[in-house]
Amino acid sequence: AQKITQTQPGMFVQEKEAVTLDCTYDTSDPSYGLFWYKQPSSGEMIFLIYQGSYDQQNATEGRYSLNFQKARKSANLVISASQLGDSAMYFCAMRVIQGAQKLVFGQGTRLTINP
Amino acid sequence: DAGVIQSPRHEVTEMGQEVTLRCKPISGHDYLFWYRQTMMRGLELLIYFNNNVPIDDSGMPEDRFSAKMPNASFSTLKIQPSEPRDSAVYFCASTRIGGNTIYFGEGSWLTVV
Repeated sequence: AQKITQTQPGMFVQEKEAVTLDCTYDTSDPSYGLFWYKQPSSGEMIFLIYQGSYDQQNATEGRYSLNFQKARKSANLVISASQLGDSAMYFCAMRVIQGAQKLVFGQGTRLTINP
Repeated sequence: DAGVIQSPRHEVTEMGQEVTLRCKPISGHDYLFWYRQTMMRGLELLIYFNNNVPIDDSGMPEDRFSAKMPNASFSTLKIQPSEPRDSAVYFCASTRIGGNTIYFGEGSWLTVV
């Protein structure tokens, strides 16, 4: 079975600092995709970044990057130069490509950016 | 392009009433998902469709829940009869085959009193 673990229930970071949100996953399938979503207090789920299991390079999208360590089964999200608007819940999720298309989510990390 | 559209955004209903949540996926997407989010259980997949056909409904909690997708642009999630423990945010999401992004709607916030 697939499982996503986010060990940090909450994090507090000073504005403009970089922040790393941890995510580890467990699957026996060789083909999978890893996603990060942001959920602000308004409730919507905003897609941030995607990493495929066969991608050779770490994914980047603006201030977001994914530190993908396949051997350790970790897919940490790095936010550079944090902003007050980054305060939100962040969810890591996994999709097994050769099986069902469904996403399995972690429990989330609540990030608070302090001015 | 319009994103995934859900309605209603908020609903408060009395226990025992029927609740119908609606979703319009992004045009051209092959997959549609219904998720439920609660504080206790996080985000759970209830059911998903591929080309309007239900593929996996193992997450549907019980017979009170049913979902349909009569065409490629519309899906419903129905709860009958509703109970207070059904109070949650229900998300609809869609993606195309091979897509690397699964897009979520803004959610339907359901409160059953």
